[in-house]
Amino acid sequence: NAGVTQTPKFQVLKTGQSMTLQCAQDMNHEYMSWYRQDPGMGLRLIHYSVGAGITDQGEVPNGYNVSRSTTEDFPLRLLSAAPSQTSVYFCASRKQGGVRIYGYTFGSGTRLTVV
Amino acid sequence: AQKVTQAQTEISVVEKEDVTLDCVYETRDTTYYLFWYKQPPSGELVFLIRRNSFDEQNEISGRYSWNFQKSTSSFNFTITASQVVDSAVYFCALSEERSNTGKLIFGQGTTLQVKP
Repeated sequence: NAGVTQTPKFQVLKTGQSMTLQCAQDMNHEYMSWYRQDPGMGLRLIHYSVGAGITDQGEVPNGYNVSRSTTEDFPLRLLSAAPSQTSVYFCASRKQGGVRIYGYTFGSGTRLTVV
Repeated sequence: AQKVTQAQTEISVVEKEDVTLDCVYETRDTTYYLFWYKQPPSGELVFLIRRNSFDEQNEISGRYSWNFQKSTSSFNFTITASQVVDSAVYFCALSEERSNTGKLIFGQGTTLQVKP
C-alpha cells in the first residue's frame, strides 16, 4: 500500500498564480483532510471531507478550495496564491469509525513558497 | 470547543536528561482520542501513541512514557535518558468521536533540542 501520497513535495509560486496540491490514498478511507503548518501555530485544519461529494471548511479555509469526486482523491486548490499561503501542507486520511484501530495516515507534506 | 495547548514552545536539554512535554486539552465530548506525533528535521509526521478517553492507564514504550489524567485534562509525554535523535518538534492532538468528521486538533508543538 502506498498510503497517502502528496504531490508535489516542493513548489514555488508567484503571487496570483493558481495551483492544485494533490492528495491520493489507496486505503479506501472515508475521511480526508488538509492541514497547513506554520511556525508556532501547529497544524491547522483547512478543509475536510467525510466522503465522496462531501466537504466542509476547517479553521483556516480562506483562499483554498477543495472537492472530493472520488474516495481516493482530495485535491487542494489555491486560486490566487498569496505570500500568506507560504506554508507546509499535509494531507491526512482516516477510516470512518477507525480511530481506535487505525488512527490517521499522513502524507509526507508539500512545502509551498509564494513569492 | 475543542482545544489543545502545548505551553512549552522550546525545550533544550543535555543528552541523558529526562524531559517532560506537557499537553492540556479541552473537549466536551465524552469519547475522544489523544495523540502524540514527532516531526524530525526531515519534516514527516511520525505517529507515537494514541490513547482513548476511557483508558487512563499510563503507557511506557522503551524510553518513552505517557501520563494521561482526565482530572486535569492532561496527556504529558516523558522521554527518559534523552538522546540527540530525540531532537524534533512534538505535537499533541485531539480527535473527538462525536463530531464524526475525522478532524484532528493539534497543539502548537514543542521543539525539543537535545544537546550532546
